[in-house]
Amino acid sequence: GAVVSQHPSRVICKSGTSVKIECRSLDFQATTMFWYRQFPKKSLMLMATSNEGSKATYEQGVEKDKFLINHASLTLSTLTVTSAHPEDSSFYICSAPTSHSSYNEQFFGPGTRLTVL
Amino acid sequence: RKEVEQDPGPFNVPEGATVAFNCTYSNSASQSFFWYRQDCRKEPKLLMSVYSSGNEDGRFTAQLNRASQYISLLIRDSKLSDSATYLCVVTRDNYGQNFVFGPGTRLSVLP
Repeated sequence: GAVVSQHPSRVICKSGTSVKIECRSLDFQATTMFWYRQFPKKSLMLMATSNEGSKATYEQGVEKDKFLINHASLTLSTLTVTSAHPEDSSFYICSAPTSHSSYNEQFFGPGTRLTVL
Repeated sequence: RKEVEQDPGPFNVPEGATVAFNCTYSNSASQSFFWYRQDCRKEPKLLMSVYSSGNEDGRFTAQLNRASQYISLLIRDSKLSDSATYLCVVTRDNYGQNFVFGPGTRLSVLP
């Protein structure tokens, strides 16, 4: 099946720093990618839709100036958590739909675990 | 009301048991439906898509009732390896790409 990678898999940073997370589709092109956040014992919550060549679409309650998204190419989307604080500590997962699937299946990256001290 | 609701769980069952999970969704415009499983500290993985006619994949059977906006997953002859959190997923719109995840139901299969 299609493969989506994320980097880094884990990051620990000090409060106030910015953290960039990369999401890559390895064997297919993705004009759209999705960014989710998952807090412990909770389900995935969609943060934003990343669109290649245009601005990202953010879900209600997600600050676009804090969570910067750049979809620079058909295989790469980045999420930058700016001025991170301990409450931003979470599991961040990206996904990409593949046009090869007729069932609107999405493939998920392995996730990035962010811990802000 | 949440967009997708699931049995709160957790479900603790012995090996070999049959277990059923329920899910309801509120958006009648949803077009695609899935069950994903998520292991602890891992990304979700697709278990199966769900069709109106119902579908079966080995020990797993999924059913969809559009009129009731209800989805189910049945696991027969449960294995230790089935222990995971099961996520009910529906699409938010007609384009079928915007996923909404349910809160998940935790299953523990005990030896």
